Amino acid sequence: DTAVSQTPKYLVTQMGNDKSIKCEQNLGHDTMYWYKQDSKKFLKIMFSYNNKELIINETVPNRFSPKSPDKAHLNLHINSLELGDSAVYFCASSQDLSRAEAFFGQGTRLTVV
Amino acid sequence: AQSVTQPDIHITVSEGASLELRCNYSYGATPYLFWYVQSPGQGLQLLLKYFSGDTLVQGIKGFEAEFKRSQSSFNLRKPSVHWSDAAEYFCAVGAMGFQKLVFGTGTRLLVSP
Repeated sequence: DTAVSQTPKYLVTQMGNDKSIKCEQNLGHDTMYWYKQDSKKFLKIMFSYNNKELIINETVPNRFSPKSPDKAHLNLHINSLELGDSAVYFCASSQDLSRAEAFFGQGTRLTVV
Repeated sequence: AQSVTQPDIHITVSEGASLELRCNYSYGATPYLFWYVQSPGQGLQLLLKYFSGDTLVQGIKGFEAEFKRSQSSFNLRKPSVHWSDAAEYFCAVGAMGFQKLVFGTGTRLLVSP
């Protein structure tokens, strides 16, 4: 059973479209994250949620809107996609905010054309 | 602010030879330190972590790392590299009550026959 799963794994879309990436964790963790990995492999936090509450929004454009319907799910919706949004997006979870160890999903490679 | 430096972008090691990947961090308090590995097209897998106690930590796949507070370093080592170790390696820092991981820029390990 996959601990942190994301769908889809690959996403190719045109500029201006709206798309969503889904993430689910079955670890019973309280905290979930979205990280972005750019073309140079640099990983940076975008959002973190704890028990469905937004904790971090790391100066991400408001075209990106995370939604956490329950603490096992953290979805990422992106409006009006731009070429610069092309990247690999990773979902992750940790037990809670005091446990730094994060478990990552397999990533979603988003390509905007 | 927390930061992590991985000074080597690429490292090539012969199969069977020893490996050391460098990581330096900047953080005012006691850090939580991690090494993650990313194989091509895959997510991030935790190799090992340091929270406190023994400064030499053992991880999966025969890896170990040593925390040296005086040098602000957390270098990753393996005594004998296997071809399957070829991947991207990321050092990261978090903290008690942390809300995110801060990653280094990664080191790509190439293994030659």
